[in-house]
Amino acid sequence: GAVVSQHPSWVICKSGTSVKIECRSLDFQATTMFWYRQFPKQSLMLMATSNEGSKATYEQGVEKDKFLINHASLTLSTLTVTSAHPEDSSFYICSARRTNSPLHFGNGTRLTVT
Amino acid sequence: EDQVTQSPEALRLQEGESSSLNCSYTVSGLRGLFWYRQDPGKGPEFLFTLYSAGEEKEKERLKATLTKKESFLHITAPKPEDSATYLCAVQEGDTGRRALTFGSGTRLQVQP
Repeated sequence: GAVVSQHPSWVICKSGTSVKIECRSLDFQATTMFWYRQFPKQSLMLMATSNEGSKATYEQGVEKDKFLINHASLTLSTLTVTSAHPEDSSFYICSARRTNSPLHFGNGTRLTVT
Repeated sequence: EDQVTQSPEALRLQEGESSSLNCSYTVSGLRGLFWYRQDPGKGPEFLFTLYSAGEEKEKERLKATLTKKESFLHITAPKPEDSATYLCAVQEGDTGRRALTFGSGTRLQVQP
């Protein structure tokens, strides 16, 4: 069964609004979660590493004030896309690793900004 | 900087026609090489982890192998349900970085 749950699976929002995406680890605690972004026919690009109880670590070129990450509990990390613009339209995928297991991914969130 | 290059970008096979996908990598101390399958609109689904050169893993029609520079995903007698994008990723060991670096994937289409 699913190891990582992501919600919503798709969202459409208007330019200038904010959108929150949730990522939950099921039946295990994840001190670290990873947020990736994938454009059509391209690979997954790491955006940031979400650390429970501390600040997220962002990859070079990713705006931390635009992509807010909160990892408030050991089973939940959220990504908020603030003041979204059409160029933020993409497929956002979170992942987490259970101890001694490979990285498992959620089913992604398709964001469309109109 | 870690680099992962997959080839071909796309591959079309007839059902039963075996082939191989390639993943070339450059990494500072390989901690693990991973193969994932991704269906359209879904997150990647884990297939294999390989840790050292010479290692092989098998699952149904898929077999993954690893050398010091590349990995192959061999598909034997594929079926239409094997159609998907296959992603290769590496985790480096020298810096303790836990995130994976992905290749751009191979889009496989198996025709009946």
